[in-house]
Amino acid sequence: EIVMTQSPATLSVSPGERATLSCRASQGVSINLAWYQQKPGQAPRLLIYGTSTRATGIPARFSGSGSGTEFTLTISSLQSEDFAVYYCQQYHNWPPVTFGQGTRLEIK
Amino acid sequence: EVQVVESGGGLVQPGGSLRLSCAASGFTFIRYAMTWVRQAPGKGLEWVAVISGGGTSTYYADSVKGLFTISRDNSNNTVYLQMNSLRAEDTAVYYCARVSIDWLLYNVFDYWGQGTLVTVSS
Repeated sequence: EIVMTQSPATLSVSPGERATLSCRASQGVSINLAWYQQKPGQAPRLLIYGTSTRATGIPARFSGSGSGTEFTLTISSLQSEDFAVYYCQQYHNWPPVTFGQGTRLEIK
Repeated sequence: EVQVVESGGGLVQPGGSLRLSCAASGFTFIRYAMTWVRQAPGKGLEWVAVISGGGTSTYYADSVKGLFTISRDNSNNTVYLQMNSLRAEDTAVYYCARVSIDWLLYNVFDYWGQGTLVTVSS
């Protein structure tokens, strides 16, 4: 099973600033990496798949990069609605697909 | 509009059984694999099971293999999760989600329901 590790656990950023979230895989997953956003009391929402392809309706301020074992989600200019928990997910070697433990993005 | 709605959660005693349902609409159901993902209180996401569009292929997390069964009724656009021999550690919100159209290439979950809470406790 591929283990996904996200860092940091919590990230404090001011609105309007850039946020950079990291995700590391225990073995290479090529570009088979997705990101989800989850707000309190809500279901997760797919943001990005294939490392860098935005899902339908996702704003351009969300971008993804990386390959192999190191991945990054960047939010270029934080809006109030972006403060949430973010999860990465690998689907390179499944079953099982596996998720990271999440990064909580909070308002500084 | 794509919609996914779970039901069937509740309180069950350890060792008991429960069947969750997931009603889908707004897309050609048989063309899509469907999956269940759970989230224990205050914890992260854990994939549980997936079923192909035609229902002929199923895969499970090791933690539920032999205990849970995923199935689907394509005539009623519904996916099920039969959960047997439930344990306290199965307590979670269970989400049903649609898998992207090319599920063997992109096993990502593009539409999610709001979840149904399963509590296993005496």
